[in-house]
Amino acid sequence: EIVMTQSPATLSVSPGERATLFCRASQSVSSNLAWYQQKPGQAPRLLIYSTSTRATGAPARFSGGGSGTEFTLTISSLQSEDFAVYYCQQYDNWPRTFGQGTKVEIK
Amino acid sequence: EVQLVESGGGLVQPGGSLRLSCLVSGFTFRNYAMHWVRQAPGKGLEYVSAISDNGKTTYYIDSVRGRFSVSRDNSKNTLYLQMSSLRAEDTAVYYCVKPEYSGGWYPDCWGQGTLVTVSS
Repeated sequence: EIVMTQSPATLSVSPGERATLFCRASQSVSSNLAWYQQKPGQAPRLLIYSTSTRATGAPARFSGGGSGTEFTLTISSLQSEDFAVYYCQQYDNWPRTFGQGTKVEIK
Repeated sequence: EVQLVESGGGLVQPGGSLRLSCLVSGFTFRNYAMHWVRQAPGKGLEYVSAISDNGKTTYYIDSVRGRFSVSRDNSKNTLYLQMSSLRAEDTAVYYCVKPEYSGGWYPDCWGQGTLVTVSS
């Protein structure tokens, strides 16, 4: 099973600032990496797939990068609606696995 | 508009059974594999099961294999998850997920989830 490790666990950011979230895979997942946003009481929402492709409706301030085992999600200028938990997920192998999440909170 | 609506969750005693359903609309159900993902209260996301578009191929994570059974009725646009021998650690919100393909199948659209609570 591929283990996905996200860092940091919590990120405190002021509105308008840039935030970078990290995700590491225990073995290469090629570019088969997705990012999800989850707000309290809601289902996850797809933001990024194939490492860097924005999903339909995902704002341009979200961007993904990396390859192999190291990946990033960058939010260029945090808006109030971006404070949430973010999960990375590999879909290169079964079982599909998620990271434990990074909570982005208001500083 | 793609819609996935789960139902069937509730409170069940350890060792009991429950069947979840997911009614879909807004896409051609029979052309898509479907997945189930769960989230224990206050915890992260965990893949549970998957089924191919024609229902002939299924996948389960180790912890539910032999206890859960995924199926589908393409004539009714409905996905099912039959859960038996339920344990406290199966307590979670269960999400029905429509995947898309780009190098592999990834979760694209999610239902709102249905809560399963296993407790005496």
